[in-house]
Amino acid sequence: EVQLVQSGAEVKKPGESLKISCRGFGYSFTNYWIGWVRQVPGKGLEWMAIIYPRDFDTTYSPSFQGQVIISADKSITTAHLQWNSLKASDTAMYYCARAPKYGSSEGYFDYWGQGTLVTVSS
Amino acid sequence: EIVLTQSPATLSLSPGERGTLSCRASQSVGSYLAWYQHKPGQAPRLLIYDASNRATGIPARFSGTGSGTDFTLTVSSLEPEDFAVYYCQQRNTFGQGTRLEIK
Repeated sequence: EVQLVQSGAEVKKPGESLKISCRGFGYSFTNYWIGWVRQVPGKGLEWMAIIYPRDFDTTYSPSFQGQVIISADKSITTAHLQWNSLKASDTAMYYCARAPKYGSSEGYFDYWGQGTLVTVSS
Repeated sequence: EIVLTQSPATLSLSPGERGTLSCRASQSVGSYLAWYQHKPGQAPRLLIYDASNRATGIPARFSGTGSGTDFTLTVSSLEPEDFAVYYCQQRNTFGQGTRLEIK
């Protein structure tokens, strides 16, 4: 059974760093893309970034380029999303999701993690 | 960058009725469009990919049509569990969502 299991909720202060994780089970981790999607409370879904764990090819949304870093560790079938300096506006639910395909025209997510709630408050 | 516009923002229907949700792309995306269902407290769920292919385990009452810039998600007869927010997605972009609520 395919599963994406995310790390637990985090409460941080502005300016702090954070790295959240998403571990894949039940499939060949290096054969699928892993992406991250943000949902700010009361708002819609926002596509953030995606990585191909086999060769670490990455793409960022222009809205998130320079704001977060996506990475992957094949040895533990885990993808990460990290911030070097959090802002209050980063408060949101963050989902990881698996993409069977990603290219110049295509890309959709077939399995999703349960979400990681990040709260940034002084 | 492609912009996806969903309509209506909110759709109020009764169980048993037919639901029709629209997604329009700012430029042609071929058949590369997906639909998701999102309920509070749950992860989004893939319903349709490549415009018209139902994902694994999705009931036949959900169907997707369209190509180019205009796409439709249809729920043939609404069940109580279908009331949720629906998003379309194309590669790096999500639409703003349609809330399907009980009338």
